[in-house]
Amino acid sequence: GAGVSQSPSNKVTEKGKDVELRCDPISGHTALYWYRQSLGQGLEFLIYFQGNSAPDKSGLPSDRFSAERTGGSVSTLTIQRTQQEDSAVYLCASSLTGRDTDTQYFGPGTRLTVL
Amino acid sequence: QKEVEQDPGPLSVPEGAIVSLNCTYSNSAFQYFMWYRQYSRKGPELLMYTYSSGNKEDGRFTAQVDKSSKYISLFIRDSQPSDSATYLCASPGGSARQLTFGSGTQLTVLP
Repeated sequence: GAGVSQSPSNKVTEKGKDVELRCDPISGHTALYWYRQSLGQGLEFLIYFQGNSAPDKSGLPSDRFSAERTGGSVSTLTIQRTQQEDSAVYLCASSLTGRDTDTQYFGPGTRLTVL
Repeated sequence: QKEVEQDPGPLSVPEGAIVSLNCTYSNSAFQYFMWYRQYSRKGPELLMYTYSSGNKEDGRFTAQVDKSSKYISLFIRDSQPSDSATYLCASPGGSARQLTFGSGTQLTVLP
């Protein structure tokens, strides 16, 4: 079946511009996560959505980062006024219910380069 | 100190070798442990998942957890060039049950 998909696969932008990254989770998965993977910091949690509950934003590094999830499915991560340190691979994952024992399935990521 | 520390590598071994990948963790609340494999320019994929102390075997892969010393290992027997990837240990925790990852070990198996 279809896995987690993300678009675009690559994004190059200029410092100060806004970017939107999209994630399509596996159908029926109620939990959705955004992570960031960079050379210096490894894989870090950003934000979590579970059903219709308010998102857990505890991993967002600054108020320039925001995300939404519409209709309990597709999610968009928005970075405003991008900085060079935002350059990283942004990974989306989904799981069936969000429990510890649920497997998180990752998408291929969006590679963001801020010039 | 990071909650999950991982031997950084990179690690290069000949085909057929036994590979040992290691992590330590500091958060006693961590109960479940996963090993993810990540090929270049792909997302991580779950390789193995363990809960209790001891060994869990799946084909050529064995995951080992020692909760008394907070030590996690992954052993790969008869390593193959197709095993060349980055291996990440992880544990769910935190308010969102998000995965806390080690930094990853890049493994290359030479034919």
